[in-house]
Amino acid sequence: DTGVSQNPRHKITKRGQNVTFRCDPISEHNRLYWYRQTLGQGPEFLTYFQNEAQLEKSRLLSDRFSAERPKGSFSTLEIQRTEQGDSAMYLCASSSTENTEAFFGQGTRLTVV
Amino acid sequence: AQSVTQPDIHITVSEGASLELRCNYSYGATPYLFWYVQSPGQGLQLLLKYFSGDTLVQGIKGFEAEFKRSQSSFNLRKPSVHWSDAAEYFCAVGPSGTYKYIFGTGTRLKVLA
Repeated sequence: DTGVSQNPRHKITKRGQNVTFRCDPISEHNRLYWYRQTLGQGPEFLTYFQNEAQLEKSRLLSDRFSAERPKGSFSTLEIQRTEQGDSAMYLCASSSTENTEAFFGQGTRLTVV
Repeated sequence: AQSVTQPDIHITVSEGASLELRCNYSYGATPYLFWYVQSPGQGLQLLLKYFSGDTLVQGIKGFEAEFKRSQSSFNLRKPSVHWSDAAEYFCAVGPSGTYKYIFGTGTRLKVLA
């Protein structure tokens, strides 16, 4: 069991650039979640997939954000035209229908300069 | 509105002392309650969870938590803190069936040798 894997671990980008993060969930997990955590705050829910279907999106997920899970396995989160306010830790989590909790990856820390 | 309040932003205890971290929640339905721990630069690790039944739940690393419905609280305790417990602790609440958690803002624990 390799756990939830997120890449890259760190990303520094210039304002206005596009970035893409990848999350590989635990292999048998059909549910996948993205959260955002800013400094001094708890994680905030962004979006949720069950298999390849994106079932819920938070109001925090502006039009510049898009998430996909094309084959129901790994997921990508893209941020277009990054802004300094996008600087945060982006956490991915996964679970199966039988799980009673979600398992989190180590996160991708984004810094927009 | 659904929310989680962790009133203590920082707590400092001496190694070997007891610990209690407070968590209060506001949730319309019967909540699923969780405590997670986050070490610097790391993702979230589940300490324990409560769904139903016995209101005193045991977790990993010697932690326990007690659900008190009348007080809308789910406080985390440990009888004797170790230096390795220094980290940030998050209380979370969520609905059954999915893991769209609402997190508190966290309590940062410092342990004095």
